[in-house]
Amino acid sequence: SQTIHQWPATLVQPVGSPLSLECTVEGTSNPNLYWYRQAAGRGLQLLFYSVGIGQISSEVPQNLSASRPQDRQFILSSKKLLLSDSGFYLCAWSTRGEAFFGQGTRLTVV
Amino acid sequence: GNSVTQMEGPVTLSEEAFLTINCTYTATGYPSLFWYVQYPGEGLQLLLKATKADDKGSNKGFEATYRKETTSFHLEKGSVQVSDSAVYFCALNPLNSARQLTFGSGTQLTVLP
Repeated sequence: SQTIHQWPATLVQPVGSPLSLECTVEGTSNPNLYWYRQAAGRGLQLLFYSVGIGQISSEVPQNLSASRPQDRQFILSSKKLLLSDSGFYLCAWSTRGEAFFGQGTRLTVV
Repeated sequence: GNSVTQMEGPVTLSEEAFLTINCTYTATGYPSLFWYVQYPGEGLQLLLKATKADDKGSNKGFEATYRKETTSFHLEKGSVQVSDSAVYFCALNPLNSARQLTFGSGTQLTVLP
């Protein structure tokens, strides 16, 4: 069966510090991979998606970036965090229609 | 473009009450439709889905019917429980783009004992 791992679960980082969130998928090949952000009390905002290794599409201009160094690995990064980067970040994968989500990372920038 | 509009929340119900959360969509072609549920502090879980017109998705007592004529996919449950308290998201997948899922804004449901 397919599983998705996302870590860490919670993170508190100072403004200006770097960020690296990792997501890995097991049990499937060549999935579409996604990073979403959910601000408090709001819906989901698609940040990045990837259809293959090294292929990244950005939905929203920001100081975040994403990379896919391996088929089932998706990384969300920032060189310098802003206060506005605080939120709940969700990784997801999809092959035919429905998406499967990780447990999320609660990021607080202080 | 594709879009999903769902009922504004929050929704507060007493246990055993009837639930309806409205969802309408705009899309070209024949998208698949989904309801996801998010419990506090967790990621989203697929609740149910329907892939073609007149299909009814069902799971855990929840149901939703794909109505192409009204472009709707309303979520219903006959008798809610406290454990159903969560945020519910309607979504569509147009099946013609890798960008895929388009989500509604989510509806917070609180069920009181």
